[in-house]
Amino acid sequence: DAGITQSPRHKVTETGTPVTLRCHQTENHRYMYWYRQDPGHGLRLIHYSYGVKDTDKGEVSDGYSVSRSKTEDFLLTLESATSSQTSVYFCAISRDRVISNQPQHFGDGTRLSIL
Amino acid sequence: AQSVTQLGSHVSVSEGALVLLRCNYSSSVPPYLFWYVQYPNQGLQLLLKYTSAATLVKGINGFEAEFKKSETSFHLTKPSAHMSDAAEYFCAVSFKAGGTSYGKLTFGQGTILTVHP
Repeated sequence: DAGITQSPRHKVTETGTPVTLRCHQTENHRYMYWYRQDPGHGLRLIHYSYGVKDTDKGEVSDGYSVSRSKTEDFLLTLESATSSQTSVYFCAISRDRVISNQPQHFGDGTRLSIL
Repeated sequence: AQSVTQLGSHVSVSEGALVLLRCNYSSSVPPYLFWYVQYPNQGLQLLLKYTSAATLVKGINGFEAEFKKSETSFHLTKPSAHMSDAAEYFCAVSFKAGGTSYGKLTFGQGTILTVHP
């Protein structure tokens, strides 16, 4: 299994509070991704990173920010959490962009509930 | 527009029966294609991938998928279902040319497979 650790695994918080999720990898892969998974929507890309300090938006980036100060860590922040951001969040990594046919490998997810 | 569609959000089979999970894509250029499996409370695990080397791709746990360009399909099959195959399966596509999806992985909505004794 790819060395990907997501923390926390579960979190319950209140609307309006800031939340930071962490993804840590031990594979030294260049690309890292944050997805959210919701019933009926599959996985949707929030943000991704193609190197230290290099990030870009995905299809559902509103309300989220990311940072990558080290190769191994990719942080996802909800500046002011809303109930619509209740979801399961997955981190993924890949050696190259998927157009090179390298697959993405996923962490075990963070279940976030915003009350 | 580029898209990926999984037909059937739920599929139910008996143990020992054929498993067929459908995936169709929309793209003028054949993309890279992947199947992932997700067991409860776990992340996604790669089952197999199509990268244009061969149209019939074999994956883990006895699954295989066939790429059919004329049908823009990449259906997942397993000859004989096992109870341990019960999970959610996702088709994912990496489009090679143009559009906002270029270079990213686009997922289908998922198919939940139930296996009955």
